Amino acid sequence: EAGVAQSPRYKIIEKRQSVAFWCNPISGHATLYWYQQILGQGPKLLIQFQNNGVVDDSQLPKDRFSAERLKGVDSTLKIQPAKLEDSAVYLCASSGLTGRRFEAFFGQGTRLTVV
Amino acid sequence: RKEVEQDPGPFNVPEGATVAFNCTYSNSASQSFFWYRQDCRKEPKLLMSVYSSGNEDGRFTAQLNRASQYISLLIRDSKLSDSATYLCVVSNTGNQFYFGTGTSLTVIP
Repeated sequence: EAGVAQSPRYKIIEKRQSVAFWCNPISGHATLYWYQQILGQGPKLLIQFQNNGVVDDSQLPKDRFSAERLKGVDSTLKIQPAKLEDSAVYLCASSGLTGRRFEAFFGQGTRLTVV
Repeated sequence: RKEVEQDPGPFNVPEGATVAFNCTYSNSASQSFFWYRQDCRKEPKLLMSVYSSGNEDGRFTAQLNRASQYISLLIRDSKLSDSATYLCVVSNTGNQFYFGTGTSLTVIP
């Protein structure tokens, strides 16, 4: 079974530039998440989609971050303009029913460095 | 208050040792509980789900205490390959997954 696909794997940009990340979830998974993981910390939820609707974006810095999932499958996360503190790994995950509970599966992440 | 709290460690243990990790969660309505493993510069991967009755998978035993809102992971007979960060994860009825900071484990030869 194909896993969660993300691209690019690595990105280096200067502060105030823009960047976009792409995610393709596991086929059939209706729920998609974007997490931010800063070095030494656990993943922090940025936004959760159910199909193409937003379930939770309370921790998304909306002045600079945006995300969409127009057709309920692939998703993009954009940062515009980037700040130094945005340097982190951006993980996409999707969840599906395994047995009687939902489990989250992660992509390999995009490692963003803002200089 | 954080949804999930863990002792970040690090834990440095010799091969063959038994090590235990603990975490607490703040939302009493949480539904599902997991331990994820994250290797250096890799994505988190599910290690095991945690059930109220406790469950075991080889050298790994997970326990849940709903009354105390406490989750544990016990690793017996530690191997060098167990070196990783172990993330405590809690999900709610909205299918949202909350992660602890992670506990770093290094198994020393």
